Amino acid sequence: GEDVEQSLFLSVREGDSSVINCTYTDSSSTYLYWYKQEPGAGLQLLTYIFSNMDMKQDQRLTVLLNKKDKHLSLRIADTQTGDSAIYFCAEGVSYIPTFGRGTSLIVHP
Amino acid sequence: DVKVTQSSRYLVKRTGEKVFLECVQDMDHENMFWYRQDPGLGLRLIYFSYDVKMKEKGDIPEGYSVSREKKERFSLILESASTNQTSMYLCASSPTGVGDTQYFGPGTRLTVL
Repeated sequence: GEDVEQSLFLSVREGDSSVINCTYTDSSSTYLYWYKQEPGAGLQLLTYIFSNMDMKQDQRLTVLLNKKDKHLSLRIADTQTGDSAIYFCAEGVSYIPTFGRGTSLIVHP
Repeated sequence: DVKVTQSSRYLVKRTGEKVFLECVQDMDHENMFWYRQDPGLGLRLIYFSYDVKMKEKGDIPEGYSVSREKKERFSLILESASTNQTSMYLCASSPTGVGDTQYFGPGTRLTVL
């Protein structure tokens, strides 16, 4: 099966930028997603990027896609304590996306 | 706004009990999914359904069954609960189409004693 890999933990200081990385294996992926899961809650779509784009910016969020290397990243500018959550990368080829295992972002003062 | 609701946020059951987890979506989505989430393992797909009365096994269907009698409702059934089914269960729905976004419910944390 196809794999989506991401590191399990990231710790940053409040006010710094966070960069969460993801690699995927299916080059035919049409959409790539970032979901956010706050403690005790379900997943919530944060942003997505079409495979024919290199970059997408949405307020404090920047998504970068390197199709050649099959690498996706999520940058959160000016990280706040409210950004502490688990972030899941996912790729969509069929209507059943493949999720990574999630990166726990810990924001400390 | 899409809303996916799950019948319980927390559930405690005993080994051997039959357990029903209910999920309802209000956006007329064709596809519905059940995942379980365990620390370090991410989301694992148990079953999904692409239409009423249709169901397909996901990656870990053993010990589970599902029912979809109406488009808006997708039920997960644990025929005889076991302690290794203690987990967070997440329901999701999505419209038809390649790569369409999934919308998740808040999750049910099930503990089997």
